[in-house]
Formats: sequence, structure tokens, C-alpha cells
Amino acid sequence: QKEVEQNSGPLSVPEGAIASLNCTYSDRGSQSFFWYRQYSGKSPELIMFIYSNGDKEDGRFTAQLNKASQYVSLLIRDSQPSDSATYLCAVSKAGTASKLTFGTGTRLQVTL
Amino acid sequence: DTEVTQTPKHLVMGMTNKKSLKCEQHMGHRAMYWYKQKAKKPPELMFVYSYEKLSINESVPSRFSPECPNSSLLNLHLHALQPEDSALYLCASSHLTPDEQFFGPGTRLTVL
Repeated sequence: QKEVEQNSGPLSVPEGAIASLNCTYSDRGSQSFFWYRQYSGKSPELIMFIYSNGDKEDGRFTAQLNKASQYVSLLIRDSQPSDSATYLCAVSKAGTASKLTFGTGTRLQVTL
Repeated sequence: DTEVTQTPKHLVMGMTNKKSLKCEQHMGHRAMYWYKQKAKKPPELMFVYSYEKLSINESVPSRFSPECPNSSLLNLHLHALQPEDSALYLCASSHLTPDEQFFGPGTRLTVL
């Protein structure tokens, strides 16, 4: 079982729709959860982080965490073509300068 | 200043060369990281520095030698690399806690 699992996609959504990206993790000791966006040929960009169960909203992005189910998700509302990228889910255990374990990423395509 | 800078952007080297990658941040972060990313794969952690001391080495071959001269600078010295070491090398930094990691633009390394 992989430590962090994501569907590789591509996930195709029409412009203006909600994109839902999912991630599961295996280590119950995980404390910090991150979503990075990575455009082709570029470096990962941190877009959301969440530490507590529940929802966290920032603009068009909502991160959801359910530690009991070991599940993290990212919702992107009003999807734009510029959101087309690979979204990497990452988790860390200690919450302090520790190893960040990445999923393999989900490629999102927003179509016109 | 809210960014991590890396130089050079691109590097081509032979297997007998010695070269260095440089990373700099001025966000007051006390943790710095080196990652390696191959095409269509997630970043893989190589090293973590905490308060300028090496805290994590993910069993990286000795041909990669990290150095943290001060809290703002991180170097990666390269010697006798192999063609399979060709990749995007990413530097990141974070506070110790919370540990959201911010990535630099990366150095695209090609080993001939």
C-alpha cells in the first residue's frame, strides 16, 4: 500500500464546474496535509494546507480533512483553464521540519 | 521577500565534473530541504536541514553532498554523477513549525 494515494487522472471538468481531487494516506500518525499545484516544467506551488478535521476555505479552494477515514480532498470552485495542472497531495508526520511524503499527483484538465 | 531562489536554472555536466547548486531564502525559515524530481513523478526528499544542521538524509549517495553555510543559504555539491541523476532538483524552506514548505523554481540538471 502506498503511503499517499491519488488517482492519476486526467480529471477533466468543464470551465466553471467544481473539480474534486481526492487523496488517501496510510499513516495514522500524519499530522499535516498539503496540496501543491504543479504546472508542467515548473516547481510545486503550495495552494492549501490543513491540520484539523473539517473544511478550510481560501478563495475558490476548499480543503477537507477526515482523519478517521484518512482522507483529504481539494475542491476547486468555478474551475478555470488556468487551473489545468497536476495537483500533488502531501503529508507529514511530525508537523515540524519533517519528511513530506507526496502522492503521485492528479492531472486536472479544465476544458472550455 | 517571500520566495526561494535557486541557481543555476539549468546545468549540464559530465560524469567527471564537480558542480554546485545554490538555494537562498530570506523568509526567516530555519528549515531547508533538497528534493529530486524525475519526469512525471512526485518530488523525492533528499536532505533536511534544521537550524543549519543536517537532520534527515534519505540514504542519498555520497556523490551528492549538502551544505548549509548559514540560515539563508543551502548548497548541493555534485561530484561524479551518473546519467540517471538527471532530474529537476528542488530546494524548499519552511518554519520549523508550522512546516508549510515553499519551493524554489528548481535547477534542471542533465548529466552526460
